[in-house]
Amino acid sequence: EAQVTQNPRYLITVTGKKLTVTCSQNMNHEYMSWYRQDPGLGLRQIYYSMNVEVTDKGDVPEGYKVSRKEKRNFPLILESPSPNQTSLYFCASVTTGQGANTEAFFGQGTRLTVV
Amino acid sequence: SQKIEQNSEALNIQEGKTATLTCNYTNYSPAYLQWYRQDPGRGPVFLLLIRENEKEKRKERLKVTFDTTLKQSLFHITASQPADSATYLCRGGSQGNLIFGKGTKLSVKP
Repeated sequence: EAQVTQNPRYLITVTGKKLTVTCSQNMNHEYMSWYRQDPGLGLRQIYYSMNVEVTDKGDVPEGYKVSRKEKRNFPLILESPSPNQTSLYFCASVTTGQGANTEAFFGQGTRLTVV
Repeated sequence: SQKIEQNSEALNIQEGKTATLTCNYTNYSPAYLQWYRQDPGRGPVFLLLIRENEKEKRKERLKVTFDTTLKQSLFHITASQPADSATYLCRGGSQGNLIFGKGTKLSVKP
């Protein structure tokens, strides 16, 4: 089954304690992306990766890091989380290439609370 | 900067009526537009794609149009049902930064 798997689903942490949210896809997609979703602000792109070892900033990259060492995994790292990073996070992978449907497949979401 | 705008935050309609949602884009020319459905606390799910050279696309009770002159896509749900209640997101397509609109929350009342 085609899927994007995020872990954990829920996380409560304290300010300044480094954390990683993992994302893995089994569809061999080249393009992967992280979004955060906040009430009234919609989905905002944090970082994206168009291929292994290639990452670029989205609209709201401050306070986040990513890496893309292999095609299937795209972890999101918060080196020093702050309360304003409390949000619902989604990982997505996208079909690309000529003629592709370019459909985005989303993970289940990670609800992060920073206290 | 490139923008995708969904002008209505919320739309309330009666069961059986047609819901029409609007998506406008500015400062770029997407090769395609997509529509997604999102239920509370869950990730968006792909519904339909329409390319810039297509005027209209249909899938069951769903219809999408793409007007490059108006820089707009319309998303229609005919014979709406309470189960259609959800947030619907528009997404623009081009290389790199893939942009979503903020979404329109549709409520269909019985």
